[in-house]
Amino acid sequence: VQLVESGGGLVQPGRSLRLSCTTFGFTFGDYAMSWVRQAPGKGLEWVGFIKNKTYGGTTEYAASVKGRFIISRDDFKRTAYLQMNSLKIEDTAVYYCARDRGKFQWGQGTLVTVSS
Amino acid sequence: DIVMTQSPLSLLVAPGEPASISCTSSQSLLHRNGFHYLDWYLQKPGQSPQLLIYFGSSRASGVPDRFSGGGSGTDFTLKITRVEAEDVGVYYCMQSLQTPLTFGGGTRVEIK
Repeated sequence: VQLVESGGGLVQPGRSLRLSCTTFGFTFGDYAMSWVRQAPGKGLEWVGFIKNKTYGGTTEYAASVKGRFIISRDDFKRTAYLQMNSLKIEDTAVYYCARDRGKFQWGQGTLVTVSS
Repeated sequence: DIVMTQSPLSLLVAPGEPASISCTSSQSLLHRNGFHYLDWYLQKPGQSPQLLIYFGSSRASGVPDRFSGGGSGTDFTLKITRVEAEDVGVYYCMQSLQTPLTFGGGTRVEIK
């Protein structure tokens, strides 16, 4: 099982950024995919997840990102996405993708820095 | 939201000695299917978290048997029978019974 995040970087407040999570080594379509973040020097914060198609492919989000972040998936590309809009300074964090809605297998993370 | 509380905040343990971390949830984590939706993760320095225990007491693949998870309802414990140098890092519990998924604040384990 391997999960590889990409797309992080420096972005100004109010702008958008899209992260990708490309996966290998398991049947992507069988699993929900989650995003978790970790602000510098802080603990882990769940961002949201997208269920697999069997469960409707629906999404759920943390209150702190609901309405600004969108999780999507492309089962043919074995990839999950995190579209982050209206970014705030407090969104600065390492963003991890993880397989499933618990019992997580994690990627290596990608750093997003929101700063002017 | 389910609040997860870990204790202690940090542990200083001599190699070969046991260690225990507590995690308490504000609501029962018992699902109607009989499983407790409680995971334990270890984040080693500079690395992403790794799964140690799921469903409260099931050891993940490749995890040494010196790690064990127990508890029920709202009270859970991670035990390490004999701490080794490679066990240093921050340990987190997480509930996945309901959204939002929530983590404990973490317990830092260091070696004497």
